Amino acid sequence: QVQLVESGGTVVQPGGSLRLSCAASGLTFSLFGMHWVRQSPGKGLEWVTFIENDGNTKYYADSVKGRFTVSRDNSKNTMYLQMNNLRSEDTAVYYCAKWDRTAVAHTSSYDYYLGVWGKGTTVIVSS
Amino acid sequence: EVVLTQSPGTLSLSPGERATLSCRASQSVSTTYLTWYQLKPGQAPRLLIFGASSRATGIPDRFSGSGSGTDFSLTISGLEPEDFAMYYCQHYNGASWTFGQGTKVEIK
Repeated sequence: QVQLVESGGTVVQPGGSLRLSCAASGLTFSLFGMHWVRQSPGKGLEWVTFIENDGNTKYYADSVKGRFTVSRDNSKNTMYLQMNNLRSEDTAVYYCAKWDRTAVAHTSSYDYYLGVWGKGTTVIVSS
Repeated sequence: EVVLTQSPGTLSLSPGERATLSCRASQSVSTTYLTWYQLKPGQAPRLLIFGASSRATGIPDRFSGSGSGTDFSLTISGLEPEDFAMYYCQHYNGASWTFGQGTKVEIK
């Protein structure tokens, strides 16, 4: 059974830095792209970043570009999110999620989705 | 960037009733990249529907998804107590992922 466990969330001052981790088990981690998604208090889900299975391709939401860096260590089955220059609006529960796909019957295409999620880790940016 | 607008914001229903949630895209999107998730406080988000209409493994058949182009919907045919939660649609466009703002299904 695939399991994702986030860690590293804590209270940090504005302008500070933090690194989150996402430990994966029950899958061949090196085969799958991974995401970070967050939910701020009272708000909806917001996609943060994606990293391809080999770590060579990364995408970021405009709200975190230049401040957050995603990385992964496939030998440790772990993904990371380095967060710098944190702002109050970065306060949120941060989830990691596995990027999945399923072949569409009778076609050569695939459906894509975030198939498995962790329970999240809470980051609070406050002085 | 595709913007997803979900309606209503809140749906107040009783157990056993039918829930219909809407997700409207700002431009036509492929069903391949349209997904629905359920979120409950303190729990991991749960994949419900992918490809606009395919149920994920273990999802009860009271959940169904439909739609194409710009209009998509999630239907829960008879609400069970565990179905009262937040629901989000989501779209992928190749380099970014967007979520709708969510619909809360609450007990009336």
